[in-house]
Order: sequence, then structure tokens, then C-alpha cells
Amino acid sequence: EVQLLESGGGLEQPGGSLRLSCAASGFAFSTYGMNWVRQSPGKGPEWVSSISGSGGVKSYADSVKGRFTISRDNGKDTLFLQMNSLRVDDTAVYYCATDPGGMVLDNWGQGTQVIVSS
Amino acid sequence: DIQMTQSPSSLSASAGDRVTITCRASQSISSHLNWYRQKPGKAPEVLIYSASTLQSGVPPRFTGSGSGTEFTLTIGSLQPDDFATYYCQQSYSIPYAFGQGTKLGIK
Repeated sequence: EVQLLESGGGLEQPGGSLRLSCAASGFAFSTYGMNWVRQSPGKGPEWVSSISGSGGVKSYADSVKGRFTISRDNGKDTLFLQMNSLRVDDTAVYYCATDPGGMVLDNWGQGTQVIVSS
Repeated sequence: DIQMTQSPSSLSASAGDRVTITCRASQSISSHLNWYRQKPGKAPEVLIYSASTLQSGVPPRFTGSGSGTEFTLTIGSLQPDDFATYYCQQSYSIPYAFGQGTKLGIK
């Protein structure tokens, strides 16, 4: 059974940093693209970032480019999102999701809440 | 960037009803369109990918159609589990935008 468990969320001040983790199990992690998707209250999901199975190809939404960095450790089956220069509008539930190909997000974690507020 | 627009934003129906949700893309995305259902407090779950392919384990009452810029999700006979919010998502090009959602409520 595929399991994705996010952690690292919390309350941070504007301008601060957080590092999210997503621990994966139940599938061949290194063969899947992985994604971060966020969702603000009452809004639709917003794709944030993608990384290929090898980690060699990374993509970002314009809203986070230059501030967020996606990475993965295939030896530890873990995905990361380093979030710097946080802004109030980064407040959301952050989900990690698998992509078997073609940007179909077929498995999602339960999400971790990030609140950016002074 | 490609914009995704769903209609209606909300609708009310009864168990056993057949409902259709529409998703329009601001430019052609071929068949690179996925549909998700999100229950309150839960993560989205994929129902349909590539516009019309049923995800493994999803009941056949869900059908998807369309290509280019206009797509539809039809639920053949509503079950209690289906009263949720539905999102389309384009997987054609970065950024992989979602629609704003269609909230399906009980009449």
C-alpha cells in the first residue's frame, strides 16, 4: 500500500523558512516523479513543484520560483521542500503526491499545514 | 499560462441522479486533463486521467470525455460518497493548473 506522510509544517513569520518532508513507502520511490501541491482554505489546489524520479529535473510555479527548492533522497525514500522568504500568501495545506507519468497525481499524503503570519 | 474554468461552481442533486460537470481550458490541451474528487478534510483523489481513462479502483459510474478545450465529467448515479468537490487539472504544460472546483451538494 502506498503511503505518503508529510511533516515539517507549522507557524512561521513572514520572511522565515520551513522545510517540509514527505516520507514514502509501499512503492519504488525512485521510479516515480513527485510533486508538492498546496491548497489554501476554500480554494482549489495549486501545483507548486515537481521533481523527476532521479532528481535531475525540477519545475516550479512562478509564485515560488527562487524561494522554494524541491529535492529528494532516494536512499531514504523521502521528498523535501525547502521554503525560504515565506510570505503570508504561502499559507496553505501542503500535500506531496506521486506521478507515475504524465502529471497524473495518483497518490496523495494527508497534508501538512503551513501558516505564515506575524 | 493555461487557465482552467469549471462550471457550475456548485450544484445540488439527489442520490441516484446523473450529473455533469464541465471544464474548459484557455487553450488546447489535447487530452491532458484529469479529474479529482475531494471530500471535506481529505486530499484529492484521482478519478479520471487523460480525459477519459478511469483510474484503477474507481467505480464505472464516473465517465470523462472531451478533448482540446472542453471536457466533461459525468457521474451516472450519485452515491452518498459523491457529495464532495470536484476539480479538473491540466497536465499539458507547466504550471499544471487546477480548476476552481465544483461543489456537489445534497438537494
